[in-house]
Amino acid sequence: DVKVTQSSRYLVKRTGEKVFLECVQDMDHENMFWYRQDPGLGLRLIYFSYDVKMKEKGDIPEGYSVSREKKERFSLILESASTNQTSMYLCASSHPPFEQYFGPGTRLTVT
Amino acid sequence: SQQGEEDPQALSIQEGENATMNCSYKTSINNLQWYRQNSGRGLVHLILIRSNEREKHSGRLRVTLDTSKKSSSLLITASRAADTASYFCATEQNTGNQFYFGTGTSLTVIP
Repeated sequence: DVKVTQSSRYLVKRTGEKVFLECVQDMDHENMFWYRQDPGLGLRLIYFSYDVKMKEKGDIPEGYSVSREKKERFSLILESASTNQTSMYLCASSHPPFEQYFGPGTRLTVT
Repeated sequence: SQQGEEDPQALSIQEGENATMNCSYKTSINNLQWYRQNSGRGLVHLILIRSNEREKHSGRLRVTLDTSKKSSSLLITASRAADTASYFCATEQNTGNQFYFGTGTSLTVIP
């Protein structure tokens, strides 16, 4: 079974802190994705990566950056967390053109 | 926005009844996928239908696709309480590997 793991299920950070969210997949998938999910807005794509060291902006990249140094790991970085980044963050991976496999999510609260 | 839209936003039915959810999208697609999300968890892939297909079945799930109307429907037959979840459609655009998710339908199946 494909497994996508995320470093934390729940995270509480203060405004202005630098936040790292880690995602690891074990199926050698080329593509990896970071989404945020907010009530009434569905899933919105922040960044995706189709290869090591490659990244593409999604719909809402502002305030975020990403890193993909190894194929299995895709990190989302909040350089200076703000309260409007309080959300559920979901990581996914896929081998195109097939379905995405999601991690369990990280619920981030910024106070 | 290139996001899809599900309809209805919320649906409540009795166990044993059928549940139908609809998804509309805006641009040409390679494929359309349906996902399920239990409360507070990641998404799980249910079924994929390609743009040249009109109908697909998987167990109690039936998906249709009408590319002329840019719409899809997901039918869950003989619903069970365990089907209670949110259901999302996701489209893969012709332009690349990016997926666009709808805002979801929240299904409640009453035992």
